Amino acid sequence: GQNIDQPTEMTATEGAIVQINCTYQTSGFNGLFWYQQHAGEAPTFLSYNVLDGLEEKGRFSSFLSRSKGYSYLLLKELQMKDSASYLCAVREGDYKLSFGAGTTVTVR
Amino acid sequence: NAGVTQTPKFRVLKTGQSMTLLCAQDMNHEYMYWYRQDPGMGLRLIHYSVGEGTTAKGEVPDGYNVSRLKKQNFLLGLESAAPSQTSVYFCASSYAVAAYNEQFFGPGTRLTVL
Repeated sequence: GQNIDQPTEMTATEGAIVQINCTYQTSGFNGLFWYQQHAGEAPTFLSYNVLDGLEEKGRFSSFLSRSKGYSYLLLKELQMKDSASYLCAVREGDYKLSFGAGTTVTVR
Repeated sequence: NAGVTQTPKFRVLKTGQSMTLLCAQDMNHEYMYWYRQDPGMGLRLIHYSVGEGTTAKGEVPDGYNVSRLKKQNFLLGLESAAPSQTSVYFCASSYAVAAYNEQFFGPGTRLTVL
């Protein structure tokens, strides 16, 4: 099974940087995903890491350390539209995902 | 392309009633999933399917049944609804073989059981 932990809430000001941490324990790691979910909407894919290191996609970056069971999502140049919940999800095997409870980011 | 669609968007049931939630995808994905999302608990997998005619149990399958008679459709049934099944239900789909098998989610069904 999975044990995925991420902070419940974070607040930051417009233009700032926020880092959302995710720790996990798994017996068969096969990739880590970050999804964004605006209130009342479906989750949408943000990033994927399967090897150690940093993946950058515009204002968003995601980092993975498999040996530490740790990932973070970095949001730069925060905008009001970035206010949302960010979900960390770990894949075991070929397709099944286990999700963390999500981190609600409020941009002021 | 519509992507992943779900019907209905909202539903209120009384305890003991039954209903079926329909998920449809037009991306020719092999894999389909049903999740429920409750406050503070994240998305939890109910059932999933790796192909037409096949289904399997996820993390929280009790009280639910599923069917995948056609590749593009995945149905979730509640035979006798209970208040504990009040939740938001999301359907998702993905390719069987891809670089990272991203799951695409439908807009969700908000179900209240009184």
